[in-house]
Formats: sequence, C-alpha cells, structure tokens
Amino acid sequence: ELKVEQNPLFLSMQEGKNYTIYCNYSTTSDRLYWYRQDPGKSLESLFVLLSNGAVKQEGRLMASLDTKARLSTLHITAAVHDLSATYFCAVDENTGNQFYFGTGTSLTVIP
Amino acid sequence: KAGVTQTPRYLIKTRGQQVTLSCSPISGHRSVSWYQQTPGQGLQFLFEYFSETQRNKGNFPGRFSGRQFSNSRSEMNVSTLELGDSALYLCASSPVPREQQGEQYFGPGTRLTVT
Repeated sequence: ELKVEQNPLFLSMQEGKNYTIYCNYSTTSDRLYWYRQDPGKSLESLFVLLSNGAVKQEGRLMASLDTKARLSTLHITAAVHDLSATYFCAVDENTGNQFYFGTGTSLTVIP
Repeated sequence: KAGVTQTPRYLIKTRGQQVTLSCSPISGHRSVSWYQQTPGQGLQFLFEYFSETQRNKGNFPGRFSGRQFSNSRSEMNVSTLELGDSALYLCASSPVPREQQGEQYFGPGTRLTVT
C-alpha cells in the first residue's frame, strides 16, 4: 500500500515568515496534488503537479515535485493569517487505481 | 456555473441502518469520486465513477457501494451502518477521469453521524 507522509503535522508560524511543508510518498507516481481545507469546510484544490520537476505558484504558495526523490514541497512565502488552514497532499498511483492522501499539515499563522 | 452539490448536508442514522448520499457534479463533468474523512483515518478514497462505470475502488468493505446515472449524478450507499462510518463524505467531480487531468472540484460534503 502506498504511504504518503507529510511533515510537519502541525505548524505555527509568524506572519511574514517563510516555511516549507514536505510530502513524501512510497511508490512510483508522477501525479501529486495539494489541497487546502478550512475548519468544517470541504477541500479546495491548490495545485496539480503532473511531471518531474513541475513547479507551480499561486500567490504566496509554491509547490514542486521531484518524482525521483518521491518528494513534493509546498513553500509558503511571507505568511499571512489568511493562510491558516490544513494542507493535504495526495498521490495517484501510476496505475491510476488508487489515490492516497497525506496526513495533513495544520498551519496556524500568528499575527 | 454551479458547483458540486451534495445532499443531504447532515444526516443522523442508527447502527444497522442503511444510508444513501447524493452528489451532483458540475455541469459537463462526467467523473465523480467519493472520499471519506474521519479524525482517525484521515481522508480516504472510496471510489470513482466515469460515464456510469466504476473505475476504481478504495480499500473499503462491500457495505460501501455506489452508482452513477446517465446525467452523471452519483449516489453512494452504505448498508448496515457501524459507528465507525461516522464521517464527512466528500464527492468531487472532474471533466475526465482523475488520472487523465487531475483537477477535482469538491462538494461541501455530507456529515454522517451513526449512533
């Protein structure tokens, strides 16, 4: 079974600071996704990374994928309070048969 | 364009009963996937339907089943409910099968409580 590990699980950071969330997975995959979830809400798609070396940026968030290292990162630049949420990565097995979520990273940005 | 809708939004059932949840995808989307979210197990993939055919199924017992209609609306059924089935059930839609395009649009979820 594919394993998807995120770290850290909890992240408290000050506004204006930078930080990176890591997503490691245990099988061959070149499709990785990042989602955001606000408390009590559904999931919002942030990034879809479909190849090795893919990098996507939206506002203060930037995601990258290294399929050889089986690693994706979500980098937060100059955090603001509105970014407080739980962030999930998810991985498609290359067969397309299974889809696995990471454990989630709960981010709190402190003013 | 209207988003993904799920009904009902909240549901309370008793152990042993069965439940049916409904998901209407974004107009023109033919793929619908279902997910379960619990505090203990996190987010887990249940199954994906495309053009009325189940494409993939996660690691769930046969009590969990689904179907998709010709208008792409999907239903999920859980029979013989257990306390552990209490969860937020999310559905997501996309124009093509998930592994072809990737982008999924999630509905607001149905929160099921089993007592």
